[in-house]
Amino acid sequence: KNQVEQSPQSLIILEGKNCTLQCNYTVSPFSNLRWYKQDTGRGPVSLTIMTFSENTKSNGRYTATLDADTKQSSLHITASQLSDSASYICVVSERDKLSFGAGTTVTVRA
Amino acid sequence: DTEVTQTPKHLVMGMTNKKSLKCEQHMGHRAMYWYKQKAKKPPELMFVYSYEKLSINESVPSRFSPECPNSSLLNLHLHALQPEDSALYLCASSQDGRGGYGYTFGSGTRLTVV
Repeated sequence: KNQVEQSPQSLIILEGKNCTLQCNYTVSPFSNLRWYKQDTGRGPVSLTIMTFSENTKSNGRYTATLDADTKQSSLHITASQLSDSASYICVVSERDKLSFGAGTTVTVRA
Repeated sequence: DTEVTQTPKHLVMGMTNKKSLKCEQHMGHRAMYWYKQKAKKPPELMFVYSYEKLSINESVPSRFSPECPNSSLLNLHLHALQPEDSALYLCASSQDGRGGYGYTFGSGTRLTVV
């Protein structure tokens, strides 16, 4: 069973709108949690990384939150742009091992 | 330099060919990784090199042979591949082998086996 679950699997939003992606994990012990953006056929690009003690981290229009007690994280995209269309992957680090979520595919339409 | 550079970006090879994928980083990272990613799936770890020594081999078939000539370079030698090996191959590096800060992926090599 995958230790990192993401939802929704995919979503479509209109340009300029906001959206929130969810990530639940059971990985333990927890080291850090990252959100990556991956364009089709390209490597993942890091958006944010948070340790146990961090609740929120922003990178431009991307804001990630972390609740280490409930083992939940979210990625909020503000004022979406067409270039935000991509797969967003939640990755949880457990010492020397990374556990990947299956990703959420976001499609932004004009 | 904060990048991981992979070459080639695209590769088409026959099942009897021998080819190599290359990965390079100049961030002083001491751990380097190979991942395989199929369409719409998360990356799957293949190999980990830590301080130029192979530390993890996730039961990868011997037709994939990694090599770490020095701390900045990582190669993946391919021989007698199967069509099901077609995928995006990603290289990554990190400061050490413990999944800490600085985990950076390359842009990948899109491999097609015909």
